[in-house]
Amino acid sequence: DSGVTQTPKHLITATGQRVTLRCSPRSGDLSVYWYQQSLDQGLQFLIQYYNGEERAKGNILERFSAQQFPDLHSELNLSSLELGDSALYFCASSAGTGVGNQPQHFGDGTRLSIL
Amino acid sequence: ILNVEQSPQSLHVQEGDSTNFTCSFPSSNFYALHWYRWETAKSPEALFVMTLNGDEKKKGRISATLNTKEGYSYLYIKGSQPEDSATYLCGRWDTNAGKSTFGDGTTLTVKP
Repeated sequence: DSGVTQTPKHLITATGQRVTLRCSPRSGDLSVYWYQQSLDQGLQFLIQYYNGEERAKGNILERFSAQQFPDLHSELNLSSLELGDSALYFCASSAGTGVGNQPQHFGDGTRLSIL
Repeated sequence: ILNVEQSPQSLHVQEGDSTNFTCSFPSSNFYALHWYRWETAKSPEALFVMTLNGDEKKKGRISATLNTKEGYSYLYIKGSQPEDSATYLCGRWDTNAGKSTFGDGTTLTVKP
C-alpha cells in the first residue's frame, strides 16, 4: 500500500461528458503528479502540483484541468471526453519540495473507459 | 539521445539467472534518475532515486548504477526469482522542465 488513494477505481462514461478523478496523497507529501497511460503507451506526465500551486505541466490537453486543494488532495477534471481519452490515470505523490530528488509513490489508478 | 530509452524491451530468463538492463537518457539538464518496478495490475513501486554520477544503489538482490556524463543507468538483478517478474521503468527528472520523462520499460519474465 503506497498510501496514495485514488477514486474511483473505474469510470465508464460517454463521449462529450465530463468526469472528475480524485487523489489523496500520502500523509505529509506536498507534491502531487498526474500521469496518463493509454493502451500500448508508457506513462505520460500530465501535471504536477506542489502545496496547492501548479509546478510543472506536461502533455496535458486544454480539455483537461487539475487543482490541488488546501487539504492537499487533488482533482483531475476531464471534459468533452473523446474515445481517445480512455486510459489509466495515475496519481503519485512525493515528499520534499517536488524537485525530483524523492521517489514518487503511485496510487492504484483510475481506469477511464469512454463508450 | 533525445528521450529516455530502455533496452531490451523484454527479457525472459530462467530462475537463478542474473540479468541486467539499460536506461539511456539525455545527459544535459540532468537532475535525478528514478527506477520503478511495475507488476501487472498494480501501480509502479519506487526502487531507487539516483542523483550523483557514479552512484550505486542496492536493495536486496537488485542494484543500479548511474553514469550522468554519458547518460545511462544499469539495473542488475542477481539470482532472478519468479516474483521479480515485472516491468522495470526508469524516469529521468529534468530540472529545467520540472518533470519526469519515463522510458517504455523493460518487461522481465522469470521462468521457474
